[in-house]
Amino acid sequence: GENVEQHPSTLSVQEGDSAVIKCTYSDSASNYFPWYKQELGKRPQLIIDIRSNVGEKKDQRIAVTLNKTAKHFSLHITETQPEDSAVYFCAASQGGYQKVTFGIGTKLQVIP
Amino acid sequence: GAVVSQHPSRVICKSGTSVKIECRSLDFQATTMFWYRQFPKQSLMLMATSNEGSKATYEQGVEKDKFLINHASLTLSTLTVTSAHPEDSSFYICRAGTANTEAFFGQGTRLTVV
Repeated sequence: GENVEQHPSTLSVQEGDSAVIKCTYSDSASNYFPWYKQELGKRPQLIIDIRSNVGEKKDQRIAVTLNKTAKHFSLHITETQPEDSAVYFCAASQGGYQKVTFGIGTKLQVIP
Repeated sequence: GAVVSQHPSRVICKSGTSVKIECRSLDFQATTMFWYRQFPKQSLMLMATSNEGSKATYEQGVEKDKFLINHASLTLSTLTVTSAHPEDSSFYICRAGTANTEAFFGQGTRLTVV
């Protein structure tokens, strides 16, 4: 089955700096890569996603990149704010929007 | 996004008893429900996938007789933890979707077995 590795497990940045979270996946058939943000005690929320026919996608301060050849993808958050503090999960799926395999999560702390 | 409601949000039960968790799609018909378990500071581990009207497909290592999943309608799926033990204490979360749309998470249920 699919295996998704994510790093770092924890990340602290100063407010205004950028944060980068990296993931790798094992199954070359995976074609959908969503990113979720989970605040303490709350459900994960989809923040951005990318499909395998696209190399990069941006939404305001958040961007994702995908390298299909190397089977890795990354989340970039620019101009970080304290409200960006949360656990971020990457995921991979070969069933479109359906069954996904999650990474272990990255706890991001933005220091004011 | 669509609304998925999960109840209860927290439950404490005694060892040996059973607990039922409900997951409802409020504004769409969910043909597929995913049930996850999340231990503290760990990732979301898929337990099983259920399609409306069919038996659930369990992931390797998940006991189907212990974690009973019912998906009898397009808006409701239930997870029953039978004969609960302290090691079953965890955060259980459902995710509901259709064949062609993004699936959405419920609020999650914090289960504590004492």
